[in-house]
Amino acid sequence: DAGVTQSPTHLIKTRGQQVTLRCSPKSGHDTVSWYQQALGQGPQFIFQYYEEEERQRGNFPDRFSGHQFPNYSSELNVNALLLGDSALYLCASSPLTPLAGGSGANVLTFGAGSRLTVL
Amino acid sequence: TQLLEQSPQFLSIQEGENLTVYCNSSSVFSSLQWYRQEPGEGPVLLVTVVTGGEVKKLKRLTFQFGDARKDSSLHITAAQPGDTGLYLCAGVANYGQNFVFGPGTRLSVLP
Repeated sequence: DAGVTQSPTHLIKTRGQQVTLRCSPKSGHDTVSWYQQALGQGPQFIFQYYEEEERQRGNFPDRFSGHQFPNYSSELNVNALLLGDSALYLCASSPLTPLAGGSGANVLTFGAGSRLTVL
Repeated sequence: TQLLEQSPQFLSIQEGENLTVYCNSSSVFSSLQWYRQEPGEGPVLLVTVVTGGEVKKLKRLTFQFGDARKDSSLHITAAQPGDTGLYLCAGVANYGQNFVFGPGTRLSVLP
């Protein structure tokens, strides 16, 4: 059972460029969330997609946009890259409804991330 | 805005020692999760605590949720080099859909 897969694993861009990161969720998961993790920090929530729509959004500018496809995979796009966008971008998938009989809290399954360096 | 603080930020100990790391917030969460993240990997869920005062054990790891559901602790007994990693706590709100992560505690266990 494949978990969450992300591509590319590493990439280098220059200021002002645009980048697209890709994510395939775990089998059986229909919700995809994206997080930005700066060096030495915890993950910061960017946005969440379900049924091909953005359901929730964190405190990130409009330069950050996303998309979810009918097969539940997702893309994160960042335009007009800044040096401060350098980070590990994590994709996490989950079922929309918390597991029946569980704690009521959803379980996030993370990919290994895409490390973006902006020069 | 819900914020989580974790302490200590860094911890370096010898194999066999015990340690406790803390996760604190001024906000109440419906539940709290602990994750461990190793270099080059995404965070992996260790445990979810739901009830105020709840204690859960996972081998040498003991997790506790504060009575008011605002804070949590993770205690590791007889730490091993394999415990090395970044320990993240995440407060869960909005019926399990909103996750707020703390900055993490970076643990290094030396052989």
